[in-house]
Amino acid sequence: AQSVTQLGSHVSVSEGALVLLRCNYSSSVPPYLFWYVQYPNQGLQLLLKYTSAATLVKGINGFEAEFKKSETSFHLTKPSAHMSDAAEYFCAVRFSGYSSASKIIFGSGTRLSIRP
Amino acid sequence: ETGVTQTPRHLVMGMTNKKSLKCEQHLGHNAMYWYKQSAKKPLELMFVYSLEERVENNSVPSRFSPECPNSSHLFLHLHTLQPEDSALYLCASSQARGLNTGELFFGEGSRLTVL
Repeated sequence: AQSVTQLGSHVSVSEGALVLLRCNYSSSVPPYLFWYVQYPNQGLQLLLKYTSAATLVKGINGFEAEFKKSETSFHLTKPSAHMSDAAEYFCAVRFSGYSSASKIIFGSGTRLSIRP
Repeated sequence: ETGVTQTPRHLVMGMTNKKSLKCEQHLGHNAMYWYKQSAKKPLELMFVYSLEERVENNSVPSRFSPECPNSSHLFLHLHTLQPEDSALYLCASSQARGLNTGELFFGEGSRLTVL
């Protein structure tokens, strides 16, 4: 079955430290991959997306993610955490074969906390 | 206005009430979605409308009734809800045609509390 797994429901890092949020998917065909961020009491905002053009994808707010086919992973990183990065992060996958409306599956989310 | 707009942002209703959530997208997209977000649960896809036709209904209870009169507007009609239906309801839109990657654009959500 197609699935998306985010390892760690809660990650806490110090301000200025590296942020690493993990995402793995199950698919025999490379899908489209996305990371979304959700701030309290708001909807989801697209951070970045992988569309097979380049394996290292840069997004907004200094985040980037690397697609690794051999590991079926799409981990999100940021070199230096800022207090404003505290939010919920969702990995999402659109599997090929759904040609009309998007069949996008979301991971369960990772809450990122930043320590002063 | 730009993007995806949802109203109301907050709604409190009794179990016998009838209310509706509204969503409007100004992005020229051709598909709209309702998602339910409950605490400690993954995002649940409730309904998908593509080209104004319902494409998918993931066994959502009949007390939730969607309506999509055109490609820019989406409603979720609510009646005889249960307290467990309290959640954040998110509307999204996408361009679901051709080579487009089909990423979703979300509204800010409607926070529903059922008493």
